[in-house]
Amino acid sequence: QVQLQESGPGLVKPSETLSLTCAVSGYSISSGYYWGWIRQPPGKGLEWIGSIYHSGSTYYNPSLKSRVTISVDTSKNQFSLKLSSVTAADTAVYYCAREYSSSVDYFDYWGQGTLVTVSS
Amino acid sequence: DIQMTQSPSSLSASVGDRVTITCQASQDISNYLNWYQQKPGKAPKLLIYDASNLETGVPSRFSGSGSGTDFTFTISSLQPEDIATYYCQQYDNLSITFGQGTRLEIK
Repeated sequence: QVQLQESGPGLVKPSETLSLTCAVSGYSISSGYYWGWIRQPPGKGLEWIGSIYHSGSTYYNPSLKSRVTISVDTSKNQFSLKLSSVTAADTAVYYCAREYSSSVDYFDYWGQGTLVTVSS
Repeated sequence: DIQMTQSPSSLSASVGDRVTITCQASQDISNYLNWYQQKPGKAPKLLIYDASNLETGVPSRFSGSGSGTDFTFTISSLQPEDIATYYCQQYDNLSITFGQGTRLEIK
């Protein structure tokens, strides 16, 4: 059974960089699939942040692209998110997910999510 | 960017009712449309992929249809455990967007 688990600080100061890691178990990242980050501000809808392939190829939401970096560490079977210059608008539950990408593209396994609050 | 317009934003229905949610894309996305269910405090769960394909293990009362710009998600007979928020999601040209969500409540 594929499982994903987000980890990282729950509180980040404005203008600093948010850093999260997603540990994957039950499946080797090196075997394929894209791996994505999605966020959800409190009481609001879902926003895709970006995705990475096991080779390191990435694609990002154009609205966040200038501030986002997603990387993968196949030796640790995990991938990471960095979001720079955060503001209160970046306060959200952050989810990592496995992304099936072929002729169709969907997220089939999700982590439980981690709340990150941006506040001084 | 492709925009997704999902409606209604909220819906109240009785157990046993047929429930329909629609999602409209701002341009043709073929059948690149998925539907998710999210219960409070939980991660979204994939229900329908590629507009009309039921994910393994999902009850057959859930279905999806449509192509191009207009899509429909249906629950044929609403059950108490279906109370959740439902989202559509499109994929096109290395860009992913979600609809605004439909909050489903029991009447």
